[in-house]
Amino acid sequence: ILNVEQSPQSLHVQEGDSTNFTCSFPSSNFYALHWYRWETAKSPEALFVMTLNGDEKKKGRISATLNTKEGYSYLYIKGSQPEDSATYLCALVANAGKSTFGDGTTLTVKP
Amino acid sequence: ETGVTQTPRHLVMGMTNKKSLKCEQHLGHNAMYWYKQSAKKPLELMFVYNFKEQTENNSVPSRFSPECPNSSHLFLHLHTLQPEDSALYLCASSQDPGRYPNQPQHFGDGTRLSIL
Repeated sequence: ILNVEQSPQSLHVQEGDSTNFTCSFPSSNFYALHWYRWETAKSPEALFVMTLNGDEKKKGRISATLNTKEGYSYLYIKGSQPEDSATYLCALVANAGKSTFGDGTTLTVKP
Repeated sequence: ETGVTQTPRHLVMGMTNKKSLKCEQHLGHNAMYWYKQSAKKPLELMFVYNFKEQTENNSVPSRFSPECPNSSHLFLHLHTLQPEDSALYLCASSQDPGRYPNQPQHFGDGTRLSIL
């Protein structure tokens, strides 16, 4: 059974703070690692597709990195805003069509 | 129109009822998925369909019966469920994962199911 772990489980920051969280996984043999943002009462939305060791992706104030050799991916948010409040999920695609999700990190940004 | 639409948004049913969850995608995708999220647990894959054929059944009890009449529609038929089946059920779609394994999935808003 593939185990994808995310830490921390939850995070409370002030508006303007920068923050980061981790997704850890045991396997270096996979198709992709996906980051999703899941706002309350909405659907999970794909943020990044990470495929290669050393990948760095950026979308506005949010960026992600991938280290397949040590088995982790970081998600960074620079200058957090209240609208960044959501649960951030990572999912490992080890087999085509089968994503294994972590528990998520729930971020709350206080104005 | 949203890409992946799930109905109903909320469902309360007794253990002896029969009900169905519906999912429809307007993205031209070929693969559709059912996930379950129970409280304090990660998203758990239940079923995968690709080009209307079931390619994955993640040891799901037979009281859950999926149906995929075409690539745009996916149903989950529910029969004699247990209280522990209360959860959020999410539908997703993607391009053919066999050809595009890297592509992320597009999710619906989910159906919140409560079993009395």
